[in-house]
Amino acid sequence: EIVLTQSPGTLSLSPGERATLSCRASRGVSSSYLAWYQQKPGQAPRLLIYGESNRATGIPDRFSGSGSGTDFTLTISRLEPEDFAVYYCQQYVSSPLTFGGGTKVEVK
Amino acid sequence: EVQLVQSGAEVKKPGESLRISCKGSGYGFTSYWIGWVRQMPGKGLEWMGIIYPGDSDTRYSPSFQGQVTISADKSINTAYLQWSSLKASDTAIYYCARRAEGAEYFQHWGQGTLVTVSS
Repeated sequence: EIVLTQSPGTLSLSPGERATLSCRASRGVSSSYLAWYQQKPGQAPRLLIYGESNRATGIPDRFSGSGSGTDFTLTISRLEPEDFAVYYCQQYVSSPLTFGGGTKVEVK
Repeated sequence: EVQLVQSGAEVKKPGESLRISCKGSGYGFTSYWIGWVRQMPGKGLEWMGIIYPGDSDTRYSPSFQGQVTISADKSINTAYLQWSSLKASDTAIYYCARRAEGAEYFQHWGQGTLVTVSS
């Protein structure tokens, strides 16, 4: 099973700042098989990025994904008030599918 | 518009059985895998398993194999997650989610079903 470790656990930032979230895999994951999700309190997760760098429908271009091998990054270029949430990475290169533990982006 | 509508919250006692549902609409239900994801209180996401409603091909995470049963009724566009004997540790929100075509990430999610197991 591929274990995904997200860091930091919590990121405290102000609106307008840049957010950089990390996802590290226990073994190599092709960049084509990594996704990112956003979850707000009381809501279901929402797909943001798939195939490592492709934005899902309706996702603004301030969200971007990058990385390869075992290290992946989700970047939010300028935080908007609605971006404060928890973010999860997910690998789908091998079964079982696994998610990272999440990074909470909170208002500083 | 793709929609996944899940059944309502449940409160059960340990040892009881339960089946929750997820009804798909706005797309060809039999042509896309539906997965189930658990979220325990205050915790992250865990993949439980997945089913292809077209032929009921089902795969389970090793962590959930034997603990739950995933099924589907394609005549009514509905997938199910069921337990034969609930435990307090099954208390969680359960999401169904539709897989993307040709790749195992989840494009569309149900609203979640809260299952509370308490004596």
